[in-house]
Amino acid sequence: GENVEQHPSTLSVQEGDSAVIKCTYSDSASNYFPWYKQELGKRPQLIIDIRSNVGEKKDQRIAVTLNKTAKHFSLHITETQPEDSAVYFCAASTSDAGNMLTFGGGTRLMVKP
Amino acid sequence: NAGVTQTPKFQVLKTGQSMTLQCAQDMNHEYMSWYRQDPGMGLRLIHYSVGAGITDQGEVPNGYNVSRSTTEDFPLRLLSAAPSQTSVYFCASSDRASGRYEQYFGPGTRLTVT
Repeated sequence: GENVEQHPSTLSVQEGDSAVIKCTYSDSASNYFPWYKQELGKRPQLIIDIRSNVGEKKDQRIAVTLNKTAKHFSLHITETQPEDSAVYFCAASTSDAGNMLTFGGGTRLMVKP
Repeated sequence: NAGVTQTPKFQVLKTGQSMTLQCAQDMNHEYMSWYRQDPGMGLRLIHYSVGAGITDQGEVPNGYNVSRSTTEDFPLRLLSAAPSQTSVYFCASSDRASGRYEQYFGPGTRLTVT
């Protein structure tokens, strides 16, 4: 089955700096790669996603890049703010509707004011 | 729309007890899934359904049963609870017909098995 590795497990940045989280996946059939933000005690919230026919996608301060050849994808957050502090998860799916997600282990991002 | 709802929010069971975690969605989504999240880890897929009457196993199905008799409901049953099933359980749904892949997660059920 699919295996998703995520690094780093913790990341501390100063407010205003950029943060980068990286994930690798094992199944070349994976075609959907979402990123979730999870605050303590809350449900995961989708922040951005990308499909395998696109190499990069951006939404304001957040961007995701995908390298299908190397089987890795990354989340980039620019101009970080204290409210960006949370746990971020990457995931991958081989299904035709994005369900059946395989998640990475998570990255705890701390943004220091 | 209420979105995806889950009951109960918290539950404590003794080893060997059975219970059903409820999940319902009012968005007419075809796809529904159950995940568990252990402390400090990502979510793992337990079971999923692509429509009423159709279910299949995910990554960690042992100890759990599901059924999908209606589009709206997707209950998860623990037949004989074990301490290893202590976890937070999330239900999710998605709308295949729309072409969007976004999973809508419920608020979760925190289960403790003693």
